[in-house]
Amino acid sequence: EAGVAQSPRYKIIEKRQSVAFWCNPISGHATLYWYQQILGQGPKLLIQFQNNGVVDDSQLPKDRFSAERLKGVDSTLKIQPAKLEDSAVYLCASSSYGQGGTSTDTQYFGPGTRLTVL
Amino acid sequence: AQSVSQHNHHVILSEAASLELGCNYSYGGTVNLFWYVQYPGQHLQLLLKYFSGDPLVKGIKGFEAEFIKSKFSFNLRKPSVQWSDTAEYFCAVNAPTSGTYKYIFGTGTRLKVLA
Repeated sequence: EAGVAQSPRYKIIEKRQSVAFWCNPISGHATLYWYQQILGQGPKLLIQFQNNGVVDDSQLPKDRFSAERLKGVDSTLKIQPAKLEDSAVYLCASSSYGQGGTSTDTQYFGPGTRLTVL
Repeated sequence: AQSVSQHNHHVILSEAASLELGCNYSYGGTVNLFWYVQYPGQHLQLLLKYFSGDPLVKGIKGFEAEFIKSKFSFNLRKPSVQWSDTAEYFCAVNAPTSGTYKYIFGTGTRLKVLA
């Protein structure tokens, strides 16, 4: 079974530039998560999709961050404009919760995208 | 607000030593509890999880965790660590919030095992 794919793996940009990250979840997984992990901290949930609907985006800085999930499969996370404090690893995860699955279903994580904002 | 606390940020042990990593959470209702591990250069992966039944759960690679409801704790243990257990360990809680289940992670414990 293929895992969660993310690209790019690394990105360096200057502040005020824009950047986009892509995630392809495990096939058939209804729920997709985007996390931000700042160095020395645990992952912080930014947005949670169930199929192509948003179920939680309470911690997404909506003035600069946006995310979409096309046709309930792939997802993109965008930052525009980036700030220095956005430097972090952006993790995508998926689980089968919400479509025959339960809240106890395992989240599977991708390798992450390491963003450096100069 | 819900939160997860991991008290040890860095732990250094010699091989064969016993390990216990603390995890406490704040949430009054039913929760699902997880420990994730991130080996150097690898993805976050599930070590073990608890959602009901026997409060002592066993995971991969000889790890176990005990859920103590009265203490809001879910501590991770291993009787004898190996050099290959060097990794970062994250405790996470999954609790119902506003019609869905939301994950909250602790800040992580970085474990170094000396050969």
